[in-house]
Amino acid sequence: ETGVTQTPRHLVMGMTNKKSLKCEQHLGHNAMYWYKQSAKKPLELMFVYSLEERVENNSVPSRFSPECPNSSHLFLHLHTLQPEDSALYLCASSQDMGTNGGGELFFGEGSRLTVL
Amino acid sequence: GDSVTQMEGPVTLSEEAFLTINCTYTATGYPSLFWYVQYPGEGLQLLLKATKADDKGSNKGFEATYRKETTSFHLEKGSVQVSDSAVYFCALSGKNAGNMLTFGGGTRLMVKP
Repeated sequence: ETGVTQTPRHLVMGMTNKKSLKCEQHLGHNAMYWYKQSAKKPLELMFVYSLEERVENNSVPSRFSPECPNSSHLFLHLHTLQPEDSALYLCASSQDMGTNGGGELFFGEGSRLTVL
Repeated sequence: GDSVTQMEGPVTLSEEAFLTINCTYTATGYPSLFWYVQYPGEGLQLLLKATKADDKGSNKGFEATYRKETTSFHLEKGSVQVSDSAVYFCALSGKNAGNMLTFGGGTRLMVKP
């Protein structure tokens, strides 16, 4: 098993669909993250969970809804998305939230989302 | 807010050439600085880091020095290989941000044999 696994790897959806992205980490970490990677833009931090509690929400539209049922699983529920939401969505985990920024993030391979 | 600026790619080099990828940052206080690498079809992975001014991070022949006076953290390698072809991301962790990193846009490196 790889450290951080994301499914599906590719997803095409219409603007009225409801779909979910799944992330699972096998590293025993306590913190999990969703990042958005768009072409020619920096990675954008979307959500952060620590011990299943949301600790950060970077002004993300409500059409993106995260869920963290336990420390190993993280979901991103998608509803009535826009074409500009098409991007690579990356999940990451870390041992904890870190102190003084000395920690390391472990990333999955990403879910490539296309909104038609 | 905090931000990271990287040179735009792609950077195309011949094998054994010298590599520099520029990275500058804006942040309050003294952030920790990172370079992550994303090989084709894979997730990002940590390449090296530095947590205070004048520190040098190094790994797999890559180096970067934390320069507070120029707010820079440029990535260098003396002799690149085809296997170094990837996208390189500079990132920082600001004051009290812990592992919530701010990333640059990434720089694609292509090394030709």
